[in-house]
Amino acid sequence: GENVEQHPSTLSVQEGDSAVIKCTYSDSASNYFPWYKQELGKGPQLIIDIRSNVGEKKDQRIAVTLNKTAKHFSLHITETQPEDSAVYFCAASKTGFQKLVFGTGTRLLVSP
Amino acid sequence: EAGVTQFPSHSVIEKGQTVTLRCDPISGHDNLYWYRRVMGKEIKFLLHFVKESKQDESGMPNNRFLAERTGGTYSTLKVQPAELEDSGVYFCASSPLGQVTGELFFGEGSRLTVL
Repeated sequence: GENVEQHPSTLSVQEGDSAVIKCTYSDSASNYFPWYKQELGKGPQLIIDIRSNVGEKKDQRIAVTLNKTAKHFSLHITETQPEDSAVYFCAASKTGFQKLVFGTGTRLLVSP
Repeated sequence: EAGVTQFPSHSVIEKGQTVTLRCDPISGHDNLYWYRRVMGKEIKFLLHFVKESKQDESGMPNNRFLAERTGGTYSTLKVQPAELEDSGVYFCASSPLGQVTGELFFGEGSRLTVL
């Protein structure tokens, strides 16, 4: 079955710096790649997603890139702010979005 | 509009006891999912309901776990008897049928501690 690896497990940056979180997936049939942010005491919340027919997608300070050949996808956060501190999960799924396979999560800490 | 609500937020039980977790999805969401995160590992899929029917239960670990969604509204996940390795955070998520995006709406989770 699908397996998603996520790195790093923790990431500490200074406010204003950029942060990059990387994921690899194993099943070449996967075609949907969302990123979820989990703040303390809350459930995961979708922040951005990308489908396999697109190589890059941006939404203000966040962007996701996808390399289908290498089966890599990455989350990029620019101009980080303390409120970006959270656990970020990447995920992959095949058609229909129904069953997400998540990575192990990255704890991002943005220091003022 | 209310989000996905889960109860209890935290449950501490002894090995061998029974626990029932409840999830109320967003009103009108026919898709309901259960996921679990154990000890800082990945969030793992358990099962998926469409209305009251189990669409996919391939992630259920064993027959100690029973999920129901009678009437297609709220869902319960019962663990009986609980084992130490069942400890973790159980997330419920919901989504509408036929949605254009793939977004799942998660609850805050139910933390289960088995001693």
